[in-house]
Amino acid sequence: SQQGEEDPQALSIQEGENATMNCSYKTSINNLQWYRQNSGRGLVHLILIRSNEREKHSGRLRVTLDTSKKSSSLLITASRAADTASYFCATDEGSNYKLTFGKGTLLTVNP
Amino acid sequence: EAQVTQNPRYLITVTGKKLTVTCSQNMNHEYMSWYRQDPGLGLRQIYYSMNVEVTDKGDVPEGYKVSRKEKRNFPLILESPSPNQTSLYFCASFGRRISYNEQFFGPGTRLTVL
Repeated sequence: SQQGEEDPQALSIQEGENATMNCSYKTSINNLQWYRQNSGRGLVHLILIRSNEREKHSGRLRVTLDTSKKSSSLLITASRAADTASYFCATDEGSNYKLTFGKGTLLTVNP
Repeated sequence: EAQVTQNPRYLITVTGKKLTVTCSQNMNHEYMSWYRQDPGLGLRQIYYSMNVEVTDKGDVPEGYKVSRKEKRNFPLILESPSPNQTSLYFCASFGRRISYNEQFFGPGTRLTVL
């Protein structure tokens, strides 16, 4: 079953603008992760936020987690054309061995 | 270089012809997993392995087999492929001691079953 659901499904912005993607999930989690996938390639881990954390930063990335609303957001600041990719959130379901991925947000950054 | 490798990267085959997709990691990771990615469905886990000789079903295991005889290798076996197994397949691994649950993905295998 799909645990994380990203929103929007697709997002198109201009270079330099900020991009925000959201993820909602249904059950309790230990952590939530965001991955990036360039077209047809393998996924690359971006950032992990634990259930007891509310916000985390990594370079131009900012992730928030609201466990009361079972939602997370990924903010990419000052976007670049190279940020064009699909972004997925992934949640564990307590087993630590199983990640459940959402269907992804396709981000297009226009130069 | 730390990596997960998959072979082949592209494969076109016919219904019923057994095939194996290999996966190997050089990071000494305990955990390995197979996913398939289909348009509109995202990534779905097929099988996973927590260590050598320990495997378990994911969300969509039907039609697939796996084995984990060595820590570094986790092949995916399709005994009798069918057209509904046409998909993009990813192998992933992670080591708990290194980075909690962060998975490293291979480059993908695009499989077409005619």
